[in-house]
Amino acid sequence: AIQLTQSPSSLSASLGARVTITCRASQGISGFLAWYQQKPGSPPKLLIYDASKLEAGVPSRFSGSGSGTDFTLTISSLQPEDFATYYCQHFHSYPYTFGQGTKLEIK
Amino acid sequence: QVQLVQSGAEVKKPGSSVRVSCEASGDTFRSYTITWVRQAPGQGLEYMGRIIPIIDATNYAPKFQGRLTITADESTNTAYMDLSGLGSEDTAVYYCARSRPTAIDHWGQGTLVTVSS
Repeated sequence: AIQLTQSPSSLSASLGARVTITCRASQGISGFLAWYQQKPGSPPKLLIYDASKLEAGVPSRFSGSGSGTDFTLTISSLQPEDFATYYCQHFHSYPYTFGQGTKLEIK
Repeated sequence: QVQLVQSGAEVKKPGSSVRVSCEASGDTFRSYTITWVRQAPGQGLEYMGRIIPIIDATNYAPKFQGRLTITADESTNTAYMDLSGLGSEDTAVYYCARSRPTAIDHWGQGTLVTVSS
């Protein structure tokens, strides 16, 4: 099975900061990667699909890039509601595994 | 509006089985895949398996092969996740979700399954 490794595992940042989270796949997955945001007590929310496509209704400060094995999620200017845990997931081959998550906290 | 409504919390004994249901609204069953994901307390997301209701095809993550069964009843737009041989490590919130080919775009509210003697 393809493994996804996110870095960092946790991150502290200030309001207005630019933040980048990385997701690395154990083998090439083309562009078949999605990013989710999860807040405590709630299910995940889709942010980005196909590595760089913004899901409808998601603020434009979120962006994704990458292809092959290396991917990034960038938040251009952190807002209070962005402090959460972020997960990547691939859709290249079965099973569609998740990264271990990156917890974003307020500095 | 897409809605996925799951059954309520369960408490199970070790070695027993659990069934979680997921009722979907709209055209979910005709056009999408239903995926099951779980999350142990304080842990990350774990992919379990999926069903494509329109062709009744299933796939299971290797870790769950042999004790996970996912089914769908198109007449009631309801999917079911049956997990057998429960152990304490199966204590988790179980989510059903609607999937497109390369994303999970809508999630149920989650069902807490607690395995305890």
